[in-house]
Amino acid sequence: GAVVSQHPSWVICKSGTSVKIECRSLDFQATTMFWYRQFPKQSLMLMATSNEGSKATYEQGVEKDKFLINHASLTLSTLTVTSAHPEDSSFYICSAPRTGGGPQHFGDGTRLSIL
Amino acid sequence: ILNVEQSPQSLHVQEGDSTNFTCSFPSSNFYALHWYRWETAKSPEALFVMTLNGDEKKKGRISATLNTKEGYSYLYIKGSQPEDSATYLCAFSGDSWGKLQFGAGTQVVVTP
Repeated sequence: GAVVSQHPSWVICKSGTSVKIECRSLDFQATTMFWYRQFPKQSLMLMATSNEGSKATYEQGVEKDKFLINHASLTLSTLTVTSAHPEDSSFYICSAPRTGGGPQHFGDGTRLSIL
Repeated sequence: ILNVEQSPQSLHVQEGDSTNFTCSFPSSNFYALHWYRWETAKSPEALFVMTLNGDEKKKGRISATLNTKEGYSYLYIKGSQPEDSATYLCAFSGDSWGKLQFGAGTQVVVTP
């Protein structure tokens, strides 16, 4: 079964709305989670690293004031797309590694459409 | 190579045939090479995490090899079945274990 849960799976909203996406690790604690974005016909691109109890680290070109990340507990990270515009429409997906290395576990992703 | 590149972008395989495809990655600052299988409307499923040059891993009919010196990995599917149809992603860990740099994937379609 799934070890990382991501909600919602699909969001359609008006321009200017803020959208929150949740990523939960279900049977393990994740001090670090990762947020990726995928535009059509392109690869998954890392947006930011979410760190429990501290600030997220953002990849070059990703606006931290636009994409707010909160990792308030060992099992939950949230990504809020603030004042979303049509160009923010994309597929967003989170991942979390278990401690000690090994593969990352992914959520099912969220398809965001801004009208 | 600065990016992770996968080829071919897509391939069609007849059921029962074997196939393979490539992932090329930067050969410096290597931590690990990950392979994922991604079916539509599902989350990517981890297949292999490979860390050592010359590593070979196998999971059922799927296997992978790794050459860190020249920066490539092959994924093999033996005796393809329709349920093998998916997009296969490779991802490179360079700066740190957790941060993955993905290729665009190879879409495999297995027809009966």
